[in-house]
Amino acid sequence: RKEVEQDPGPFNVPEGATVAFNCTYSNSASQSFFWYRQDCRKEPKLLMSVYSSGNEDGRFTAQLNRASQYISLLIRDSKLSDSATYLCVVLARPDSNYQLIWGAGTKLIIKP
Amino acid sequence: NAGVTQTPKFQVLKTGQSMTLQCAQDMNHEYMSWYRQDPGMGLRLIHYSVGAGITDQGEVPNGYNVSRSTTEDFPLRLLSAAPSQTSVYFCASSYSYRVKPYEQYFGPGTRLTVT
Repeated sequence: RKEVEQDPGPFNVPEGATVAFNCTYSNSASQSFFWYRQDCRKEPKLLMSVYSSGNEDGRFTAQLNRASQYISLLIRDSKLSDSATYLCVVLARPDSNYQLIWGAGTKLIIKP
Repeated sequence: NAGVTQTPKFQVLKTGQSMTLQCAQDMNHEYMSWYRQDPGMGLRLIHYSVGAGITDQGEVPNGYNVSRSTTEDFPLRLLSAAPSQTSVYFCASSYSYRVKPYEQYFGPGTRLTVT
């Protein structure tokens, strides 16, 4: 089983709709959680951190459910420019070192 | 600031050839790393460095070498290319291994094909 799992998609969503996708993690030592965005054939860029109480950044809302070991990303009023692959990242500290564990990504396509 | 730069953008190698992927950052970041990205898989860490003169292995180090003689540069060497090393390679840096290690700044990537 992969340590961080994501539905690869693609999620095809009309412009203006709300879309949500989840990411599950298996390592209970996981400390922190993040979403990165990766445009087609580009490098990943940090989108937002995920806080225990949930957090918003404009149209984006991230949630964490430690009991069920998943995080979610919700995008409201989706724009064409939101089309990208969204990578879930878990920061674990199994020993004295930090370890970033990356999901394979969920592809989102926003259609006009 | 140029951020993180990588060269070349594209490369085709024959099996057994060696080459060096270049990476440089101008942000005075302490931490630098190399990842490979393959379809259907998350980014996998090859090697990393927490400062000049210090390197360590990541998850998939076999077939690769690194060195960190300066804060700015972190080249990745493929010793004897194999088709299994066909991938997209990303160099990344962050301010500190201890402070916000998750805030990684990536280079544009190198698409490597080994035939």
